[in-house]
Amino acid sequence: DGGITQSPKYLFRKEGQNVTLSCEQNLNHDAMYWYRQDPGQGLRLIYYSQIVNDFQKGDIAEGYSVSREKKESFPLTVTSAQKNPTAFYLCASSTTTDYNEQFFGPGTRLTVL
Amino acid sequence: GQNIDQPTEMTATEGAIVQINCTYQTSGFNGLFWYQQHAGEAPTFLSYNVLDGLEEKGRFSSFLSRSKGYSYLLLKELQMKDSASYLCAVVDSNYQLIWGAGTKLIIKP
Repeated sequence: DGGITQSPKYLFRKEGQNVTLSCEQNLNHDAMYWYRQDPGQGLRLIYYSQIVNDFQKGDIAEGYSVSREKKESFPLTVTSAQKNPTAFYLCASSTTTDYNEQFFGPGTRLTVL
Repeated sequence: GQNIDQPTEMTATEGAIVQINCTYQTSGFNGLFWYQQHAGEAPTFLSYNVLDGLEEKGRFSSFLSRSKGYSYLLLKELQMKDSASYLCAVVDSNYQLIWGAGTKLIIKP
């Protein structure tokens, strides 16, 4: 079955540690996205990539980094520079046509202690 | 700036009808999505409108007026499982999705 996977579902880290969230898709989508969602709020775009080896900053990129070495994979690193990293992180993918319905992974809930 | 407005929270009764509104001001318009998101889960696609008018899909319908910068999602015959957040998102001139904060819908028996 085609889809997007994110692992792990729940992640705990100590303050000051970098952590990498994985995102893999087998939908053959060119575009991939990372969002952050805080309680009671909408989705805020962190980074996106429309093609392998290229990515763009979203609205809240500070303290985060990404790579896109393969079409299927778009890992997100939350660095120690991110001041408030505890949140729900969602990865999505889409085609790059004008109808860019985004398909979401199940999300990773990161808690920094 | 770009802005999408939705009510923060709505309450409705099981079996009833509810309309969730979304107004937008964006740089360009290339379509509007509605997604459903249950607590702690990923958003799932409900509808897409790019032309004015009403799109019906089972118990859910979505309406768009581009001249008014307005859309609504209509849910009929409400069920308890419809308790969720409903997210409105607009595709802007750069084909980027601009997301509203979502409307939390509470269904009461």
